[in-house]
Amino acid sequence: IAGITQAPTSQILAAGRRMTLRCTQDMRHNAMYWYRQDLGLGLRLIHYSNTAGTTGKGEVPDGYSVSRANTDDFPLTLASAVPSQTSVYFCASSAQGQARQPQHFGDGTRLSIL
Amino acid sequence: AQSVAQPEDQVNVAEGNPLTVKCTYSVSGNPYLFWYVQYPNRGLQFLLKYITGDNLVKGSYGFEAELNKSQTSFHLKKPSALVSDSALYFCAVRDATGGFKTIFGAGTRLFVKA
Repeated sequence: IAGITQAPTSQILAAGRRMTLRCTQDMRHNAMYWYRQDLGLGLRLIHYSNTAGTTGKGEVPDGYSVSRANTDDFPLTLASAVPSQTSVYFCASSAQGQARQPQHFGDGTRLSIL
Repeated sequence: AQSVAQPEDQVNVAEGNPLTVKCTYSVSGNPYLFWYVQYPNRGLQFLLKYITGDNLVKGSYGFEAELNKSQTSFHLKKPSALVSDSALYFCAVRDATGGFKTIFGAGTRLFVKA
């Protein structure tokens, strides 16, 4: 079934540790996104990528980095995790150049930083 | 700047009654508007969108939304609620002239009581 796969599903991490959240899509969408979801704040964009080889900063990029080596994969890295990064992280994709198209979401990674 | 407001944190409705989930928006250009639904431990799922044309948009699972440009609102409606409609609903806006970035509301939790 076409869609977005995120891994891990959940993780408990000690503060100061490095962590990479994985995201893979098989829809050949050009644009990919990382959001964090926090209670009462909705979804906030962390980083995005319009196409393979390019990335950009979203609303809350500090403490996070991304790479886009190919169309399918868009990993999110926390270089040194802090408790404020405890959240649910969602990866999404959409057909770039088609602002009319909705985004497709993975089922999220629930991350707790202790 | 784009913004979205969902003024109600929670909406309660009895099964069989009509439901409305409110959304207002602000964009500098013409808006592309979306509604998404999120079930527990899942990612967001697309429900419906307004791009252009008829202000009344019909979507999945019997939901519809009506754009009111004078009030800059895009309320989600359903004539007869089901218990299975209980979920978290997000309104989102994209500026048609501003590329691909999407702004999400904080979400409204819908409870449908049997």
